[in-house]
Amino acid sequence: ETGVTQSPTHLIKTRGQQVTLRCSSQSGHNTVSWYQQALGQGPQFIFQYYREEENGRGNFPPRFSGLQFPNYSSELNVNALELDDSALYLCASSQPNRAEQYFGPGTRLTVT
Amino acid sequence: QQQVKQSPQSLIVQKGGISIINCAYENTAFDYFPWYQQFPGKGPALLIAIRPDVSEKKEGRFTISFNKSAKQFSLHIMDSQPGDSATYFCAAINSGGSNYKLTFGKGTLLTVNP
Repeated sequence: ETGVTQSPTHLIKTRGQQVTLRCSSQSGHNTVSWYQQALGQGPQFIFQYYREEENGRGNFPPRFSGLQFPNYSSELNVNALELDDSALYLCASSQPNRAEQYFGPGTRLTVT
Repeated sequence: QQQVKQSPQSLIVQKGGISIINCAYENTAFDYFPWYQQFPGKGPALLIAIRPDVSEKKEGRFTISFNKSAKQFSLHIMDSQPGDSATYFCAAINSGGSNYKLTFGKGTLLTVNP
């Protein structure tokens, strides 16, 4: 069984640019959630996707957007990058109507 | 407003000792409480979880104690080993809500000295 995978591992962008992060969910999992983890902090919920639709959103501005594809993989897009967007971005997948969430290794985004 | 408060921020334990990390929550709608273990440069790994209908759950050296009336829960690591050195996060979910959003504590950096 393949776990949650994310790409790329690391990314360096300049303020004002746009970035796309990718996530493949664990086999049998159709729900994907994205979290932002700043250095030394706990992960913060960005949004969740289920059946290719956004199913809940945390306190993040609209320049954070996402997609889920028919194979349950997902993308996180961030426009107009700001220095404070520098963080580890985590993707977690789960089975339908199950609370257990399993995380990928994350993408480390640095905005300069 | 921090809905899940975790303490201590850091903890140093000798090999073979007991590590105890505490969390308190405010939202009484929370009904699923997982603990995650995170090593540097890695994503959080689900360690153990509990629901409020039981007061204790044990898996190997890891035990969760849950006090519903006090809205508190804790992780106990028995016979702590240097390999347990990591950051531990408590979290909570309201599974009756519209989505399964994890609300995390700020984390505890555990160091187990050999």
